[in-house]
Amino acid sequence: GQSLEQPSEVTAVEGAIVQINCTYQTSGFYGLSWYQQHDGGAPTFLSYNALDGLEETGRFSSFLSRSDSYGYLLLQELQMKDSASYFCAVRGHGQGGKLIFGQGTELSVKP
Amino acid sequence: GAVVSQHPSRVICKSGTSVKIECRSLDFQATTMFWYRQFPKQSLMLMATSNEGSKATYEQGVEKDKFLINHASLTLSTLTVTSAHPEDSSFYICSARNQGRGNQPQHFGDGTRLSIL
Repeated sequence: GQSLEQPSEVTAVEGAIVQINCTYQTSGFYGLSWYQQHDGGAPTFLSYNALDGLEETGRFSSFLSRSDSYGYLLLQELQMKDSASYFCAVRGHGQGGKLIFGQGTELSVKP
Repeated sequence: GAVVSQHPSRVICKSGTSVKIECRSLDFQATTMFWYRQFPKQSLMLMATSNEGSKATYEQGVEKDKFLINHASLTLSTLTVTSAHPEDSSFYICSARNQGRGNQPQHFGDGTRLSIL
């Protein structure tokens, strides 16, 4: 089976840096993805790590350590619009790469 | 722009009605699409994997006779919630990945909010 753990909520102020951690247990691993979802909206893709290390995309970075079954999403220069739910997801082998999602972290950015 | 289109965005109907939701991949062929369900303040739960030209693969606990999936073409998958009841009210989201272009991410449709009265 597969399971992922991430904090349920995080609060930070505008301009700050926040890190959302994700640990996973999987029977097969083919990469860790991060998605953002605003209330009532669809998930939007943020980042993907297949190999160990850091991937940077603008204000967002994602890190993966396969030996530790651990990854994180780093959000810099936080803005109010970053308030949303963030999900880590593991992609399994086969079947077109189905995604199994963590429970989500609700990020609240305060002024 | 959107790479996966989902329709309708919202459905409100009476108990016992069957509801069909369409998911289309735009500008690419998707031999595999995925259907998720999300209850308020919860995560996305994978319901089934839709396979073009063959039967869908359902996750444990998902009733295949209740949630009919048809993937008749390389760009279209449909989910039909049969004889829907209030407990089926949820946010249904499909996703697809352009498998023909290397390591591409999953893209999601805008979701369908289903409310059964």
